[in-house]
Amino acid sequence: GAVVSQHPSWVICKSGTSVKIECRSLDFQATTMFWYRQFPKQSLMLMATSNEGSKATYEQGVEKDKFLINHASLTLSTLTVTSAHPEDSSFYICSARDPRTWRPQHFGDGTRLSIL
Amino acid sequence: AQTVTQSQPEMSVQEAETVTLSCTYDTSENNYYLFWYKQPPSRQMILVIRQEAYKQQNATENRFSVNFQKAAKSFSLKISDSQLGDTAMYFCAFMNSNFGNEKLTFGTGTRLTIIP
Repeated sequence: GAVVSQHPSWVICKSGTSVKIECRSLDFQATTMFWYRQFPKQSLMLMATSNEGSKATYEQGVEKDKFLINHASLTLSTLTVTSAHPEDSSFYICSARDPRTWRPQHFGDGTRLSIL
Repeated sequence: AQTVTQSQPEMSVQEAETVTLSCTYDTSENNYYLFWYKQPPSRQMILVIRQEAYKQQNATENRFSVNFQKAAKSFSLKISDSQLGDTAMYFCAFMNSNFGNEKLTFGTGTRLTIIP
């Protein structure tokens, strides 16, 4: 079936660096992808909707310049956390909509980001 | 904006027993989808069951069934013959059925523990 691949699964880096997370739809074309953030023992909070070939739509309160989203192809969306700080440490999950099925979204396995 | 409420932060039940997780939501839309997702310790998001708002019949998937009360805006999940593998976080989610507005709104989750 349809699969969404997210990479890396875990990253540790120093404060001040930028980190890029990739989300790929492996066997379908995804015009829309979604990026979520999940704090420990909390729910998923939508950060932004990524649209292929256009600017992402950010949810209220999400810093656009901090979380850069690029959806340059129908199978790849990237989230770049710029100048990361310890408070950016979290679990980030992407998802993609397969227009061929009724399923709302297929989820990646998530990325655990730790900023030292 | 839609909101999803799960009033049970944690629940536990003996193996083989039946457990019901509660979910209520608020929306002004008439057409929408409701979902239950399972997130085990691996943190992968697994779709358990879905319900279309226009369908009166409650959805069932093997041991999982829902009680959908549209007028009351209630959407509970019943797990029958619970198994150890059912231990996980369970999230109720809402999605508007309008094309192009397919983002998911999640509840705060219920941590379910199945006791051997």
